[in-house]
Amino acid sequence: DAKTTQPNSMESNEEEPVHLPCNHSTISGTDYIHWYRQLPSQGPEYVIHGLTSNVNNRMASLAIAEDRKSSTLILHRATLRDAAVYYCILHKYGNKLVFGAGTILRVKS
Amino acid sequence: DADVTQTPRNRITKTGKRIMLECSQTKGHDRMYWYRQDPGLGLRLIYYSFDVKDINKGEISDGYSVSRQAQAKFSLSLESAIPNQTALYFCATSDSRGTNNEKLFFGSGTQLSVL
Repeated sequence: DAKTTQPNSMESNEEEPVHLPCNHSTISGTDYIHWYRQLPSQGPEYVIHGLTSNVNNRMASLAIAEDRKSSTLILHRATLRDAAVYYCILHKYGNKLVFGAGTILRVKS
Repeated sequence: DADVTQTPRNRITKTGKRIMLECSQTKGHDRMYWYRQDPGLGLRLIYYSFDVKDINKGEISDGYSVSRQAQAKFSLSLESAIPNQTALYFCATSDSRGTNNEKLFFGSGTQLSVL
């Protein structure tokens, strides 16, 4: 199974940008990079995904390295409501999403 | 109303009892999944179904069974519950077929405790 490596936890100040890193050195050419987050007492929710190019949506931006062996989820202005566990996942064609332990993001006011 | 609804939200049962967790969705998706989450860990896939006549085992299917009664309904059963099945269970649906571009939509979870 494709494996990703994320820091166990990170901390950010409110209203500042947050860069959440993910390493996926075993990525294959057709694997998509997905990010989900899980707020306390809730199910995970989709954040963003991409293949090669950087992606932006209303929640976040996804920066993908040129060799695709790493990516970074960018929250442009962290709020207290962004405190959650963030999962970086490689999605292989025909397979299911496999969640790792993720990164716990703490946001300080 | 939630698009993916799980019932019950909480359940306490005893070792050896049979228990069923239910999931229904109004999103019209073909694919449905059951995951479990243990404290401090990620989600692990138990079973998944790509349509009404399709059932597939995930990473940790032992001790569980599922039934896909209709496109909108996917239930998870523990035939004889044991304490290490105490966990938070999530149902999910997805909106793509045969691609790795799909997005998962999760229910709010069922907290199961087996005493």
